[in-house]
Amino acid sequence: DGGITQSPKYLFRKEGQNVTLSCEQNLNHDAMYWYRQDPGQGLRLIYYSQIVNDFQKGDIAEGYSVSREKKESFPLTVTSAQKNPTAFYLCASSIDPPSGQSYNEQFFGPGTRLTVL
Amino acid sequence: KNQVEQSPQSLIILEGKNCTLQCNYTVSPFSNLRWYKQDTGRGPVSLTIMTFSENTKSNGRYTATLDADTKQSSLHITASQLSDSASYICVVSANGGFKTIFGAGTRLFVKA
Repeated sequence: DGGITQSPKYLFRKEGQNVTLSCEQNLNHDAMYWYRQDPGQGLRLIYYSQIVNDFQKGDIAEGYSVSREKKESFPLTVTSAQKNPTAFYLCASSIDPPSGQSYNEQFFGPGTRLTVL
Repeated sequence: KNQVEQSPQSLIILEGKNCTLQCNYTVSPFSNLRWYKQDTGRGPVSLTIMTFSENTKSNGRYTATLDADTKQSSLHITASQLSDSASYICVVSANGGFKTIFGAGTRLFVKA
């Protein structure tokens, strides 16, 4: 999985609870991303970070929050405001942020499956 | 609207047979196109990446083609193996990589 770890692999949450998903990379990549994957749909971008202490909302950021205090770590918190949080969550990293270069290959972690009970 | 459409949604083939998966996109301005393989419950793994000037790229039994004029790509799998059973995702980046659009994937089942 390219030096990116996500934990836990499976996570169960009761309605109304916040939960934090972990993502760590040892690839020395500057950029990190969080995606959500639902059956029959392409991956959708939640948040991304191009550099430490900076992050940007993606296409579906409502109900989620992130932090980037260290280059290696980009945790995602699913808050109680997220109306439909049950999904497969994927973290990714790339060596550079998007900068007009042709190649910006993203390497993915193994994913966390979150189920709201 | 930037879109990536893949076909078929799912495909069942016998072990040893070849198959071709399709990807049509309306992403502009085009930067690059990637094919990923995603095993069930795992993260996607990159198979090939192509820029505007490349029209074919191989990775073992996987060969991707790109027609930038018609905005179509295909992934051809030769002599399929049981381990090829997975989802194959077409990903197109636009605007110098600032925008990445994922297709919904094709689910391939290889039967013995």
